[in-house]
This record gives sequence, C-alpha cells and structure tokens, in this order.
Amino acid sequence: KAGVTQTPRYLIKTRGQQVTLSCSPISGHRSVSWYQQTPGQGLQFLFEYFSETQRNKGNFPGRFSGRQFSNSRSEMNVSTLELGDSALYLCASSLRVAGVYNEQFFGPGTRLTVL
Amino acid sequence: EDQVTQSPEALRLQEGESSSLNCSYTVSGLRGLFWYRQDPGKGPEFLFTLYSAGEEKEKERLKATLTKKESFLHITAPKPEDSATYLCAVSRGNTPLVFGKGTRLSVIA
Repeated sequence: KAGVTQTPRYLIKTRGQQVTLSCSPISGHRSVSWYQQTPGQGLQFLFEYFSETQRNKGNFPGRFSGRQFSNSRSEMNVSTLELGDSALYLCASSLRVAGVYNEQFFGPGTRLTVL
Repeated sequence: EDQVTQSPEALRLQEGESSSLNCSYTVSGLRGLFWYRQDPGKGPEFLFTLYSAGEEKEKERLKATLTKKESFLHITAPKPEDSATYLCAVSRGNTPLVFGKGTRLSVIA
C-alpha cells in the first residue's frame, strides 16, 4: 500500500509570496491533517479535513488555509509569507472512524524556507 | 488544556545499554496514546498505539507501556540504527493529537 506523499519536498520563497503544498493520503483514508514542525515549537496542529470539510483548526493566523478534494487529496496554502513560516510542513492521513482521532500516518514533509 | 511532556530531551546511550524514555500527559479522558519515531528531515513513523492503563506493546527492541499518567518507551540493547527522535502524542478521541517535543536518542557504537 502506498504511503502518504507530499509535493514538493523542498521550497524556497521570499517574504510576501504565497505557497501551495500538496498531500495525497493513503488509499482509503479520508482524514488529512496538517502540522507545522519547527525546532523550538515541535509539531503543531494546523487543521484537519475530512470528507472535504475542515473539522478542526489549530491556533494559526488566517494566512494559513487548506482544502480537500473529493479524492481526499489535500492542499495547504500560506499567503504573505513571513520569515517565521520557515518550517517542515507535515501531512498525515488516518481512517478517522466514527469521528475518533486514531493513529495517523505521516508523509515525508515539505521543507519550506522563507528568505 | 491537554499537555504532553517528554523526558529527557536528549539521551546518549552506548550500544547495548538499555534505557527508557518517558512521556507524561495531562488529558481528560484519554482515548489513545501514540508513539512515533522520526529521523532527521523525515516525517514521523508510527510505532504504537496504547489505549488503556496496563497495556503493553512490543516491536523488535522497543516496548511501550501505559499508566494513568505516563507512558514509557523501553529500548532493550539498542543499536546505532535506533538513533532518532521519539515522539509521543495523546488524543481524547474527538480532538486532534497533541504531541510532545520528543526525546532525541543517540546510540553510539
């Protein structure tokens, strides 16, 4: 079974630009969660999509947004990039049976560097 | 607010020197505790899910245990390839996972 895939793997952007990251979950998984990982803060939850609807949102500004398509693939967008947005962005998929958060399986991440 | 604290932050072991990593949690109504392994520059790799106090799970040299307040990841006779950051996360079921900051393990040959 193919794992979670994320594209691109690396991105370099400048302040003020916007970026779109993509995630394809494990086949059959309808829940996709996004996380930001930095050395100081660890893994922080951004948001989760299930059946094309945002189900939960973390404590991030509105510059961070996402969406999910009917095939469960998800995209995350960050507008007006700031230096502090430099991080590893991770996508995780899960079965999310009966609304319960169970084990999540992560992709390799997208390393975003903002100059 | 759910909280997860992992200790120590970093651990250096000689090959074959067994030890334990700790994950203390404060969560009302724990529905699951998860352990992950993360290699540098990669996404976390799922290891175990524990659901109730007293539960234990094993995989090769790793054994995870759970009490009502904490979980331990025991590493028996570690090898250099066990070097990684180990992450712990908790869930109340209907809320997103909350992760600890991890323990960075180095195993020296």
